[in-house]
Amino acid sequence: GAVVSQHPSWVICKSGTSVKIECRSLDFQATTMFWYRQFPKQSLMLMATSNEGSKATYEQGVEKDKFLINHASLTLSTLTVTSAHPEDSSFYICSARGIGQGRGSYEQYFGPGTRLTVT
Amino acid sequence: GIQVEQSPPDLILQEGANSTLRCNFSDSVNNLQWFHQNPWGQLINLFYIPSGTKQNGRLSATTVATERYSLLYISSSQTTDSGVYFCAVWLPGGYNKLIFGAGTRLAVHP
Repeated sequence: GAVVSQHPSWVICKSGTSVKIECRSLDFQATTMFWYRQFPKQSLMLMATSNEGSKATYEQGVEKDKFLINHASLTLSTLTVTSAHPEDSSFYICSARGIGQGRGSYEQYFGPGTRLTVT
Repeated sequence: GIQVEQSPPDLILQEGANSTLRCNFSDSVNNLQWFHQNPWGQLINLFYIPSGTKQNGRLSATTVATERYSLLYISSSQTTDSGVYFCAVWLPGGYNKLIFGAGTRLAVHP
């Protein structure tokens, strides 16, 4: 149980275009989803937290107009990188925390990540 | 803010060896998780361990919350154990934030 999927697993786009990444909780309802960014050989950096049906909370230094997050249902959150530039190239990982997981409501489960390359 | 420090940063083992990874945190935390990030980037939950000791096969973890550290033991290491091991803590009162350590990069050679 507690499986989180992401789509796509990798994407290459041209500078100036927008890219949407989907994060789904497959076997539980995710009241809260998180988006992280990871550069090569570095740790995970939290970008934003989203609760179903409400606006995302962004971490300091993360541009909310560039990284649009929507958490429209208890099983789906999306991250849209708008007007992407080469410096946005990175590994984006989502995680979910929710109800019905049985092990305590604080545990997060992670998706497999999306590797974005902007050319 | 809270600091999460992991040691060692890098570790090379021969298959079959045992190892201990350490995670120190600078303040009281609500909960702690250990993850393994495999070479493809997937984070795998190893332990959810705010205190005490847990075991799962060749892996075990101990958290001593009063002394602000946690240990991850890997016994009889295998090449598939290679990857990066992260510990992450929840802030008290900040249930929405996991703070990650920098990770321990493990390479197990046959």
